[in-house]
Amino acid sequence: AQSVAQPEDQVNVAEGNPLTVKCTYSVSGNPYLFWYVQYPNRGLQFLLKYITGDNLVKGSYGFEAEFNKSQTSFHLKKPSALVSDSALYFCAVRGSSGSARQLTFGSGTQLTVLP
Amino acid sequence: EAGVAQSPRYKIIEKRQSVAFWCNPISGHATLYWYQQILGQGPKLLIQFQNNGVVDDSQLPKDRFSAERLKGVDSTLKIQPAKLEDSAVYLCASSPDRGAFFGQGTRLTVV
Repeated sequence: AQSVAQPEDQVNVAEGNPLTVKCTYSVSGNPYLFWYVQYPNRGLQFLLKYITGDNLVKGSYGFEAEFNKSQTSFHLKKPSALVSDSALYFCAVRGSSGSARQLTFGSGTQLTVLP
Repeated sequence: EAGVAQSPRYKIIEKRQSVAFWCNPISGHATLYWYQQILGQGPKLLIQFQNNGVVDDSQLPKDRFSAERLKGVDSTLKIQPAKLEDSAVYLCASSPDRGAFFGQGTRLTVV
């Protein structure tokens, strides 16, 4: 069965500093990887995805993520954090065939950017 | 482009009552998902439709939950009877291919 691990429940970073939110995954076949953000009382908003190609994927609001096949990781990054980036972030994976096609989410990481 | 629409936004019911949620996906999206998100946890897939057929319902508690997607467009998710542990946000998402776009969810409180 496929799975996603977000090892940190909470990440705190000072405004202007770089941020990293970690994600590792397990799936059969080629992975499709996603990051979503959730603000209070809002639905999940798509940030970025990796399907194929360049391992560094750029997404919305200045976020990017790096796909590392050997480490089965897809960490979310941003060079300079904003207070408005404070939210709950979810990593998700989908396999490329069969029962792995369901979109499976991690447990989420609460990012707090301190002014 | 209109997003995924869900209703109601909030619902409070007593245990053992029934409840239904409605989802209107983005036009043209063949795949539709229902997720359950309990406070403090990541979304858990309940059911996945491809057009009007069920692709995956392995995590749907079928003794009390049911879902349908008539004509491959709108979908309803029903709980009958509800239990206290069903209190959660129920998210609908639709997808044209590999990603998914989410609605704002329905927050269900069972008392």
